[in-house]
Amino acid sequence: EVQLVESGGDLVHPGGSLRLSCAASGFTFRNYWMHWVRQVPGMGLIGVALINADGNKILYVADSVKGRLTVSRDNAKNTLYLEMNSLRADDTAVYYCARDYSGSIDSWGQGTLVTVSS
Amino acid sequence: DVVMTQSPLSLPVTLGQPASISCRSSQSLAHGDGNTYLNWFQQRPGQSPRRIVYKVSNRDSGVPDRFSGSGSGTDFTLKISRVEAEDIGVYYCMQGTHWPYTFGQGTKLEIK
Repeated sequence: EVQLVESGGDLVHPGGSLRLSCAASGFTFRNYWMHWVRQVPGMGLIGVALINADGNKILYVADSVKGRLTVSRDNAKNTLYLEMNSLRADDTAVYYCARDYSGSIDSWGQGTLVTVSS
Repeated sequence: DVVMTQSPLSLPVTLGQPASISCRSSQSLAHGDGNTYLNWFQQRPGQSPRRIVYKVSNRDSGVPDRFSGSGSGTDFTLKISRVEAEDIGVYYCMQGTHWPYTFGQGTKLEIK
């Protein structure tokens, strides 16, 4: 069974930093592109970043987070990361990691909440 | 980016009655490889999204056959033949034909 377990969400001050992790299991992690998608509570889904299977190419980063959020992965550890810097109030959201497959997202984690507030 | 527009945004339904959600894209979702990468997700209250339909009309494993997807080009529909209590939540369409993938705003299905 595919499992994606996010961690690292926290309350952080504006301008602060955070690193989210997503531990993958139940599938061959190194074979799949991986997404970060965020959702402001009560609102819709927004793609944040997409990384290729090898981890050597970032395929997409949303304009709203460019230069501040960086996606990476460690295939030896079956883990996806999202490094978040210069955080703003409008980065407050639940962050999901999700598996890409053939023009779709076929699996989602349970999400981790990031709250940016003074 | 491709804009995905859902309607209605709120859908009050009576249990046992049908429901239909529309999703329109600002560009054709027909891919050069012959596929159309239009997906539907269900998000129940307090849960993560779950894919229920991929490539327009293919139901995921475990999804009841009362759910059906249809459409082509820029116009797509998700239908529920008879709404059950467990269907309550928000439904999102998402296109995967063009980068970046983009989502509709969501349609909240609620009991009348």
